[in-house]
Amino acid sequence: GAVVSQHPSWVICKSGTSVKIECRSLDFQATTMFWYRQFPKQSLMLMATSNEGSKATYEQGVEKDKFLINHASLTLSTLTVTSAHPEDSSFYICSARIAMRGDHEQFFGPGTRLTVL
Amino acid sequence: QKEVEQDPGPLSVPEGAIVSLNCTYSNSAFQYFMWYRQYSRKGPELLMYTYSSGNKEDGRFTAQVDKSSKYISLFIRDSQPSDSATYLCAVNAGGTSYGKLTFGQGTILTVHP
Repeated sequence: GAVVSQHPSWVICKSGTSVKIECRSLDFQATTMFWYRQFPKQSLMLMATSNEGSKATYEQGVEKDKFLINHASLTLSTLTVTSAHPEDSSFYICSARIAMRGDHEQFFGPGTRLTVL
Repeated sequence: QKEVEQDPGPLSVPEGAIVSLNCTYSNSAFQYFMWYRQYSRKGPELLMYTYSSGNKEDGRFTAQVDKSSKYISLFIRDSQPSDSATYLCAVNAGGTSYGKLTFGQGTILTVHP
């Protein structure tokens, strides 16, 4: 149980294009999903918190117009990197919390490796 | 000062050794403490989850939290080559920071046969 998937697992794009990453909770409902970014040999940095049916909350320093987050259903959140540039190349990981559960466990997806040329 | 400090290692041990991984944190508001294991190019996998001070054991893994010294530890007994991974500690304050995790830098562990 508590499986989170991400699609695609890796993507290469040209500078200036937009890329959409999907995060799905496969066997549970997730009212809250989180998006992290991880640079090589560094830890995960929280980018934003995504709540179903409402606007995402972004961490300080994260451009909300560049990283568009949509959480339209209890099992799907999407992250769109708009006008991507080489410095956006990173490992993007989502996580999800099980709805109606009072603890703070998060279940992580396998990550999406983005390379911007 | 980072909110969570973790020695990045790398740490290399022989198979069967006891491994000790540690983190310190600065904010006394943190109440939830977790350890994740991350294999290369994969998402983190939850290993241990504890609330407040004390010990928690699960198989070969033991997590310890000492809130008085703001120190958390993960012990791995009888380490195996399959334990080779990056281990991340994470903390959460609960309340209004519901669900937001702050991670340590991660410790790279290699267990050699």
